Amino acid sequence: QSVLTQPPSMSGAPGQRVSISCTGSSSNIGAGYDVHWYQQLPGTAPKLLIYANNNRPSGVPDRFSGSKSGTSASLAITGLQAEDEADYYCQSYDSSLSARLFGGGTKLTVL
Amino acid sequence: EVQLLESGGGLVQPGGSLRLSCAASGFTFTSYAMSWVRQAPGKGLEWVSGIRTTGSTTYYADSVKGRFTISRDNSKNTLYLQMDSLRAEDTAIYFCAKDHQRYSSGGNDAFDIWGQGTMVTVSS
Repeated sequence: QSVLTQPPSMSGAPGQRVSISCTGSSSNIGAGYDVHWYQQLPGTAPKLLIYANNNRPSGVPDRFSGSKSGTSASLAITGLQAEDEADYYCQSYDSSLSARLFGGGTKLTVL
Repeated sequence: EVQLLESGGGLVQPGGSLRLSCAASGFTFTSYAMSWVRQAPGKGLEWVSGIRTTGSTTYYADSVKGRFTISRDNSKNTLYLQMDSLRAEDTAIYFCAKDHQRYSSGGNDAFDIWGQGTMVTVSS
C-alpha cells in the first residue's frame, strides 16, 4: 500500500475531462512538500508532466494541469485524446520516512 | 541532447551483487543531484536512492538501506549503484533520473530526465 494513494484506474471518452487524485498525509503533501506528476506510456520511461504542483515543463500541452490543496493533489486532463492512454504517477517527499515517494499509479483508459 | 544511459543489468543469483552505471550527457552533470528509481514487473515506481552534486550526501529507501550504495564520478559524468545481498524482490527495471533544479537538496524536487532503464533479475 502506497503512502500516496491514487485510484488504480480511470477512464474517459475522447474530448472529456478527467481528474486523477493523489492523497497523502501531514508528513508529505500536507507538510507543504511539492507534488510532481509523471506520464508513463507502455514500455517507456516515465516523463515529467507537472512539477511543483502546477507547472508544466516545456513541450507539455496545456491540456494537462495540476493543483494541490491540504493533503491532496490532482492532475486534470482536458480534451482527452487516445494518446493520453498511459499510467500516471504522483510524487512527493515524506519527512517521516525521509524518502521521496511515488503514488501507486493510475492507469488511464481512453474509451 | 540531454541523455542518460544505464547499463550493467542482468541475471544474478539471490545473495549476489551487481553494479549499475548511468552515463550522463548534454548537461552539466556536476550541478544536479541524481537518483535511482526502480519498477518491478507490472508494478509502480519506487525511489531507491539519491545523491547530491558532490557525492558527499546520499539517501536510501528503507528497502535497500545497508545493501545498496550509490556513488558518482563527476570526472566521468557517471552515476553508479552497487547492489549487494540481492533478493528476489529487487527484480525490476532500474532507471537513473536527474533532478529538475540545479543544486537541489534532493528531497522535494522532480525528476525531469530519465534513462531508458536496465533490467535486473534476481533468480536462482
